[in-house]
Amino acid sequence: GAVVSQHPSRVICKSGTSVKIECRSLDFQATTMFWYRQFPKQSLMLMATSNEGSKATYEQGVEKDKFLINHASLTLSTLTVTSAHPEDSSFYICSARDPREKTYEQYFGPGTRLTVT
Amino acid sequence: QKEVEQDPGPLSVPEGAIVSLNCTYSNSAFQYFMWYRQYSRKGPELLMYTYSSGNKEDGRFTAQVDKSSKYISLFIRDSQPSDSATYLCAMRTTNAGKSTFGDGTTLTVKP
Repeated sequence: GAVVSQHPSRVICKSGTSVKIECRSLDFQATTMFWYRQFPKQSLMLMATSNEGSKATYEQGVEKDKFLINHASLTLSTLTVTSAHPEDSSFYICSARDPREKTYEQYFGPGTRLTVT
Repeated sequence: QKEVEQDPGPLSVPEGAIVSLNCTYSNSAFQYFMWYRQYSRKGPELLMYTYSSGNKEDGRFTAQVDKSSKYISLFIRDSQPSDSATYLCAMRTTNAGKSTFGDGTTLTVKP
């Protein structure tokens, strides 16, 4: 299957700072990428859908000014958590759709553990 | 009420047992059904993909969809300790649409 990477895998930052997480599709061009947030023992919460070359579509309740998403190329999407607070600490996972597959299946990255102190 | 309900478990079984994992849903428009496996601190990986009702088998895994009951299942035969993970069901209304996930069931297979 297709491979999606995320960087960094783990990041610790101080409250008030911003942190950027990268999501890359390694062996295919992804026109659509998704960003999820996952709390311990809970499911994936979709934050936004990112389409290359256009603005991201945010889910209800997600602050677009706080979680900046940029899908500048067909293989890279970034999520920037601005002015991070301890409540932003979570596991962030991206996924990318492989347009070559008729199932429109999404492949997930390994996730990024963000801790805000 | 959530659109997709999944018993969080935890579920513990001995090695070699048959495991049954289930999800129910309320949206009759769901047509595409998936099962993902997620190991601790990793991203989910797709196990099974099914369109509409019916069964699908892949090795030790069998996915069943009963749209009339709004109920889907994943069966794991001859379970192995390496199957220990959280299993997430997911579904969507259109092939290109966004997926709605269950909360996941944590499975432990004891040697």
